[in-house]
Amino acid sequence: EPEVTQTPSHQVTQMGQEVILRCVPISNHLYFYWYRQILGQKVEFLVSFYNNEISEKSEIFDDQFSVERPDGSNFTLKIRSTKLEDSAMYFCASSEESSGTPKNIQYFGAGTRLSVL
Amino acid sequence: AQKITQTQPGMFVQEKEAVTLDCTYDTSDPSYGLFWYKQPSSGEMIFLIYQGSYDQQNATEGRYSLNFQKARKSANLVISASQLGDSAMYFCAMREDRDDKIIFGKGTRLHILP
Repeated sequence: EPEVTQTPSHQVTQMGQEVILRCVPISNHLYFYWYRQILGQKVEFLVSFYNNEISEKSEIFDDQFSVERPDGSNFTLKIRSTKLEDSAMYFCASSEESSGTPKNIQYFGAGTRLSVL
Repeated sequence: AQKITQTQPGMFVQEKEAVTLDCTYDTSDPSYGLFWYKQPSSGEMIFLIYQGSYDQQNATEGRYSLNFQKARKSANLVISASQLGDSAMYFCAMREDRDDKIIFGKGTRLHILP
């Protein structure tokens, strides 16, 4: 069964460092997303991406964050100058359909746990 | 504003019993979708079931069914014949069809007892 793959499963970094979280979406999907879940809190939307452009972003997704599709299979989230409060589980998701389609099922990866020390 | 409310922080259920996880939602958009996701202790987020706001029938996927009561803005998940492997956190979620983002509830932690 096709799945979204995220690497690494756990990333530890020092405050102020840059991190890149990597995702391989399901192969025939064209729409990509990042969410985060701070420990014990709700899952929150960060950004959606289609056709090499950001489609939608939340207020969390400020200039510290960026996304990229560097090649035909990977989708990355870069966090510049990490802060303690960036510690969270980061989920990548992908979907076959767009937001204009009612049945837009977003399939999630297993997540990357980011720990900022 | 969009909102998902899950009032049960935790539930304990005996194995093989049916379980209902509550979810209410709020939206002013007439076109939306409702989702349930399962998050085991390993952390991944597994899609379980989808219900569209215009769907006339309740969605079913194997042992999962969604009890959709549109007038009450309720989208409860029913798991029949619960199994030990059903122990996990369950999230109710919603997406307005014009949006990309999914809004999640706080989740219900389900414990299945042998």
